[in-house]
Amino acid sequence: GAVVSQHPSWVICKSGTSVKIECRSLDFQATTMFWYRQFPKQSLMLMATSNEGSKATYEQGVEKDKFLINHASLTLSTLTVTSAHPEDSSFYICSARGIAHYNEQFFGPGTRLTVL
Amino acid sequence: QKEVEQDPGPLSVPEGAIVSLNCTYSNSAFQYFMWYRQYSRKGPELLMYTYSSGNKEDGRFTAQVDKSSKYISLFIRDSQPSDSATYLCAMSTSGTYKYIFGTGTRLKVLA
Repeated sequence: GAVVSQHPSWVICKSGTSVKIECRSLDFQATTMFWYRQFPKQSLMLMATSNEGSKATYEQGVEKDKFLINHASLTLSTLTVTSAHPEDSSFYICSARGIAHYNEQFFGPGTRLTVL
Repeated sequence: QKEVEQDPGPLSVPEGAIVSLNCTYSNSAFQYFMWYRQYSRKGPELLMYTYSSGNKEDGRFTAQVDKSSKYISLFIRDSQPSDSATYLCAMSTSGTYKYIFGTGTRLKVLA
């Protein structure tokens, strides 16, 4: 139980284009989803927290107009990197928390974004 | 000072050894303490989840929390080459659901 998937697992795009990453909770309803970013050999940095049906809360220093987050249902959240640039290349990981899990977060497998 | 400190390693041990991984923290409000294992280019996998102080054991893994010292540990007994990965500690306060991660310790178990 408590499986989270992400799609795509990797994506390569040209500078200036937008990329959408999906995060799905497969066997539970995720009241809260989190988006993290991880650079090589570094830890996970929280970008934003989203609750189903409401606007995401962004961490300090994260541009909300660049990283658009939508959490339209209890099983799906999307992160759209708009006008991507090479410095946006990173490993993006989502996690999800359900009502029954209280404070536990379950992580997806991550999406590797490379911007050329 | 970072809220959570973790030695990045790498830590190399022979197969069968007992591994000790540690994190220190500065925020006394942290109540939940987690250990994740992350293989290269994969998402973190939850190993241990502990609330407040004390010990918790699950198979070869034991998590310890010492809130008075602001220090947590993960012990791996009978380590295997398949345990080679990066181990991340994470912590959160009650009610926020936000995790603060350590930098992760890279572990190599040599066959």
